[in-house]
Amino acid sequence: SYELTQPLSVSVALGQTARITCGGNNIGSKNVHWYQQKPGQAPVLVIYRDSNRPSGIPERFSGSNSGNTATLTISRAQAGDEADYYCQVWDSSTAVVFGGGTKLTVL
Amino acid sequence: EVQLVESGGGLVKPGGSLRLSCAASGFTFSSYSMNWVRQAPGKGLEWVSSISSSSSYIYYADSVKGRFTISRDNAKNSLYLQMNSLRAEDTAVYYCARAPSGGDYGMDVWGQGTTVTVSS
Repeated sequence: SYELTQPLSVSVALGQTARITCGGNNIGSKNVHWYQQKPGQAPVLVIYRDSNRPSGIPERFSGSNSGNTATLTISRAQAGDEADYYCQVWDSSTAVVFGGGTKLTVL
Repeated sequence: EVQLVESGGGLVKPGGSLRLSCAASGFTFSSYSMNWVRQAPGKGLEWVSSISSSSSYIYYADSVKGRFTISRDNAKNSLYLQMNSLRAEDTAVYYCARAPSGGDYGMDVWGQGTTVTVSS
């Protein structure tokens, strides 16, 4: 079965750039989606198909995907960006797969 | 307003059954694949099941295969999850989520979730 690996936690200074990685075998050949989840709330799609932002998502959120690693980048991090972030792909053998999630702390 | 509203959660004993519902509004429900995703207390997101727009394609996570059944009624704009032989490890918040283009564009709309607790 296909697996996605994320760091448990990432810290970033206020106003700096945070990068959250998502590792998977040849993930660069798949469409990667990213979700933000704040405590007590449902997840929100922040990036779809590697690097596309849904309507209403700030330009500070961007994504890339190549080789065995996809990356969610949050520029000029704000306190309101503190949340758990999950990557997700579709795999032919496993269907929908989520990464384990990364807790982003803004210092 | 595009909206998904889950219902049907509650407390159930191990081995029991529960049926979750997800009511959709504000969009053409019959044009979208749908998913159930759950989150155990303090844990990450876990995909449970997917169903295509016309119910032609259905997928399950190994952890629920043979115990859970996903279905939909496009005439009623509703998605369902029949859960049988429930176990303690099925305790979670269950979300329904919309998936444009069969999931190629991620899950762009989520409900607020309904809580399932399996305990004696």
